[in-house]
Amino acid sequence: ETGVTQSPTHLIKTRGQQVTLRCSSQSGHNTVSWYQQALGQGPQFIFQYYREEENGRGNFPPRFSGLQFPNYSSELNVNALELDDSALYLCASSQTLDGGRLSGTQYFGPGTRLLVL
Amino acid sequence: EDQVTQSPEALRLQEGESSSLNCSYTVSGLRGLFWYRQDPGKGPEFLFTLYSAGEEKEKERLKATLTKKESFLHITAPKPEDSATYLCAVHEAKKGYSTLTFGKGTMLLVSP
Repeated sequence: ETGVTQSPTHLIKTRGQQVTLRCSSQSGHNTVSWYQQALGQGPQFIFQYYREEENGRGNFPPRFSGLQFPNYSSELNVNALELDDSALYLCASSQTLDGGRLSGTQYFGPGTRLLVL
Repeated sequence: EDQVTQSPEALRLQEGESSSLNCSYTVSGLRGLFWYRQDPGKGPEFLFTLYSAGEEKEKERLKATLTKKESFLHITAPKPEDSATYLCAVHEAKKGYSTLTFGKGTMLLVSP
């Protein structure tokens, strides 16, 4: 069984730039959720992708966007980077049953550490 | 608003000194409570899921319990390798999807 992988591991950008983070879900999982974790805080839900569509979003602005591909892998894009976007970005994969019910556990990848200067 | 509160924020124990971490929650329609362990700079590692009051789960030196308002993570005779941040999360049903809402975590340091 292949676990959740993320790339890159670390990234440094400057304010105003754009960034794309990538995630490969665990085999057998069809749903990807993205979280932002600031230093000393718990992960905050950004959005979730199921069947290649965003089916839920937390309290994040539209400059945070994403994609899910037919193989269930996903991308997180952040435009117009701000200093406060510096954080650990976590991807989690899980299985969603018909009707949107999340079944089982969310398994996390190792994260991408983003630093915005 | 649904909330998850963990206490204490940080805990320092001597090796072998047992203790408990607390997670209190206010959520409508709890579909599960999760415990994760997170090492510095790494992603959270799944430990337990609890679904109903009275349920208990154990793994090595860790035992998780659940009531209607809170969950405890009991650590028995901890070792230095148990040092990590322990995160609690509630599984919430939203409109058309479901997700996890996390507490801020308890940072545990076990000294030899």
